[in-house]
Amino acid sequence: QVQLVQSGAEVKKPGASVKVSCKASGYTVIAHYLHWVRQAPGQGLEWMGWINPNTGDTNYVQSFHGRVTMTRDTSNDTAYMELSSLRSDDTAVYYCARAKGRSTREGYFDYWGQGTLVTVSS
Amino acid sequence: AIQMTQSPSSLSASVGDRVTITCRASQGIRNDLGWYQQKPGKAPNLLIFAASSLQSGVPSRFSGSGSGTDFTLTISSLQPEDFATYYCLQDYSYPYTFGQGTKLEI
Repeated sequence: QVQLVQSGAEVKKPGASVKVSCKASGYTVIAHYLHWVRQAPGQGLEWMGWINPNTGDTNYVQSFHGRVTMTRDTSNDTAYMELSSLRSDDTAVYYCARAKGRSTREGYFDYWGQGTLVTVSS
Repeated sequence: AIQMTQSPSSLSASVGDRVTITCRASQGIRNDLGWYQQKPGKAPNLLIFAASSLQSGVPSRFSGSGSGTDFTLTISSLQPEDFATYYCLQDYSYPYTFGQGTKLEI
């Protein structure tokens, strides 16, 4: 069955970086874009961007001003989202999510990781 | 960025009620819209894609409609497990944007 398993919770200090992993299984990983979505405590959902696991191509929300980097390791079917220069308002649950369609950037996410809480605090 | 405005922000209803949630886009987005359900502490779950297509495994009491700027999610007969927060998401243009959410309460 399709699974996206994310790394565990992190606590970081302001200015530090965090790297969250998302291991995919149960499907042809290179065939589906992976997206990242975050949710601050008690708030709504925010789309962050996508990575094409086949080519490594990415697309990020510009409001992160170059602080976000999405990568993948095809040898172990794992995607990564790294966020740098962390601020307190980056405290959120970060989700990876699989695009429903094959080889499409569509924003229909049919499988999600369990979420990774990143807490930024001095 | 395209702004997605959901209404209402919260809604109280009873089991068996018919409920409609609206999502309005700040510009036309064709039918490039999905609806998600999220329960506390859980990841969102895709209900509807392409504005009106029911995702596999989702009960038929959920339906979506609309095109252009105005979209609706309808639950024909509320069940206890439907009390959750609902979000729309446009993927017409970057950045993809979610509505602010509609919390459906008993």
